[in-house]
Amino acid sequence: NAGVMQNPRHLVRRRGQEARLRCSPMKGHSHVYWYRQLPEEGLKFMVYLQKENIIDESGMPKERFSAEFPKEGPSILRIQQVVRGDSAAYFCASSPTSGARLYGYTFGSGTRLTIV
Amino acid sequence: DAKTTQPTSMDCAEGRAANLPCNHSTISGNEYVYWYRQIHSQGPQYIIHGLKNNETNEMASLIITEDRKSSTLILPHATLRDTAVYYCIVRVGSGSEKLVFGKGTKLTVNP
Repeated sequence: NAGVMQNPRHLVRRRGQEARLRCSPMKGHSHVYWYRQLPEEGLKFMVYLQKENIIDESGMPKERFSAEFPKEGPSILRIQQVVRGDSAAYFCASSPTSGARLYGYTFGSGTRLTIV
Repeated sequence: DAKTTQPTSMDCAEGRAANLPCNHSTISGNEYVYWYRQIHSQGPQYIIHGLKNNETNEMASLIITEDRKSSTLILPHATLRDTAVYYCIVRVGSGSEKLVFGKGTKLTVNP
């Protein structure tokens, strides 16, 4: 039973390029959450998605960032025109239902994004 | 903002019990206490959660005070692999789903 799969594990982009981070939830999980962790800081919530719907994007920067979770395929976090400050670890978590209190979330290993 | 307060760091000897405290004095009646840990920049790992009764699983025990304003995570026999940042989080069991992470407690298990 594979866990939450994130790829790539490491991503290097030049300033101004686009970064696309992928997250495949655990089998049977239909809820995906994205978190960002800046160096030496805690995890910050970004966005919560269900299949084809954004439920809570209160933590998403207003510009350049977008997320989707299509009916088929992984969830994608997209960062356009990346800047140095986007360098961080991006973690994805999934849960089977909105009753996540019964299970806790399962996190992936993260994508380390480095902007050069 | 996180609704919990934890010590910044703690040390524990290998093989001894690690007791990690957490204050959540403003917790609401429908909010659960969750514990996660993050080992060296890996993804956070769920440990345990509870509402008002003490809980135990294969990883740890969770002791919640009767007034629910504080709790303690207990690792009964700490190993070097338990060195990590431990996060105490309170959240409603339904509705808003996001976890709000604070700064956590850096636990160092020493040989």
